[in-house]
Amino acid sequence: DSGVTQTPKHLITATGQRVTLRCSPRSGDLSVYWYQQSLDQGLQFLIQYYNGEERAKGNILERFSAQQFPDLHSELNLSSLELGDSALYFCASSVENSLAANTGELFFGEGSRLTVL
Amino acid sequence: GIQVEQSPPDLILQEGANSTLRCNFSDSVNNLQWFHQNPWGQLINLFYIPSGTKQNGRLSATTVATERYSLLYISSSQTTDSGVYFCAVFDYKLSFGAGTTVTVRA
Repeated sequence: DSGVTQTPKHLITATGQRVTLRCSPRSGDLSVYWYQQSLDQGLQFLIQYYNGEERAKGNILERFSAQQFPDLHSELNLSSLELGDSALYFCASSVENSLAANTGELFFGEGSRLTVL
Repeated sequence: GIQVEQSPPDLILQEGANSTLRCNFSDSVNNLQWFHQNPWGQLINLFYIPSGTKQNGRLSATTVATERYSLLYISSSQTTDSGVYFCAVFDYKLSFGAGTTVTVRA
């Protein structure tokens, strides 16, 4: 058990719908990262938050958004879903982050498997 | 961003065999991690090893940061070692290699 909790574990929805994925980081971790794993793209970085603020953005679509709340949990919102959004979405957390170089180990949750029909 | 290359892409082992997985990266890093993704999709931390050598049971890893590569050794492989092994390095995000798919046959 990594200590990172993600819900839901599985989600099936239809094209055009909107879903919210939730992540609770390990106790004491201030940084939260979101990743998408699809068969053809591998593990892709989406976005990172540190203590409530957005710190880095990766290949995140405009239809997707995220936030980190004062209690440090994070949510990833996916809207206008398309078939290609079907993937495993991971959240990871780490205890520290600096803009210059991260030296903290990242721990991943079990993922949320999204299927868009 | 940093490029991460893993080899070989696929590895088939007989139970009890030893193997070495390699990870090359294109720039200096302050953070390198090895993960095992099991058949259920879970990403399990194996090593946090920006440099040096570490051992954990039948697994060990070595990172030579100056030469920009890391090696993961699996000794006396077991069927439970099957899955995908990822190397990941950190610039402003953790960048993953494409992984090595390991299949251990009984």
